[in-house]
Amino acid sequence: QKEVEQNSGPLSVPEGAIASLNCTYSDRGSQSFFWYRQYSGKSPELIMSIYSNGDKEDGRFTAQLNKASQYVSLLIRDSQPSDSATYLCAVSSSGSARQLTFGSGTQLTVLP
Amino acid sequence: EAGVAQSPRYKIIEKRQSVAFWCNPISGHATLYWYQQILGQGPKLLIQFQNNGVVDDSQLPKDRFSAERLKGVDSTLKIQPAKLEDSAVYLCASSLGAGGGDTQYFGPGTRLTVL
Repeated sequence: QKEVEQNSGPLSVPEGAIASLNCTYSDRGSQSFFWYRQYSGKSPELIMSIYSNGDKEDGRFTAQLNKASQYVSLLIRDSQPSDSATYLCAVSSSGSARQLTFGSGTQLTVLP
Repeated sequence: EAGVAQSPRYKIIEKRQSVAFWCNPISGHATLYWYQQILGQGPKLLIQFQNNGVVDDSQLPKDRFSAERLKGVDSTLKIQPAKLEDSAVYLCASSLGAGGGDTQYFGPGTRLTVL
């Protein structure tokens, strides 16, 4: 059973702070990693994808991947109240179907 | 560009009844996915189609759930008979390519309540 683990939170940070979200995965052959944001009552939307070890930056978001440690993280700089949502880590399997396995999500609240 | 369309948005049924959900993916997207998201959990893949063929249905409870994708476009997911534990949001997603590294775009979901 391929697993993706996230801290369930909730995680609260003050406005302007850095929010750090973490994810570990069990399938050592995984090649593609994604962070989705899900507002309450809405469907997930992709905010970052990462495929290689290291950091990938997009605006206020930075994804970090360490395949040796089977660890992927998301940093949100200058957090805004509008960033308050559940963040889902998703990992594609190493099998032929390459299906996505999602973690249970980390609920983030940014306090004004 | 139109997004992934789903209907209905909400459905309430009694246990042992049947229900069907419909999904229209983004035009030109080859791969279509059905996910089940129970409150407080991440989406769980039920079935993945590439064009009109099934790529993965290993987590689909086949004794009660069925899905089809006719002509490689629209898809329907059916539950018959429904159980209380089927209460969840059913999300449809599509991607341009064959999955894996491709971005999946989600529809608004159908919230199912089984009483």
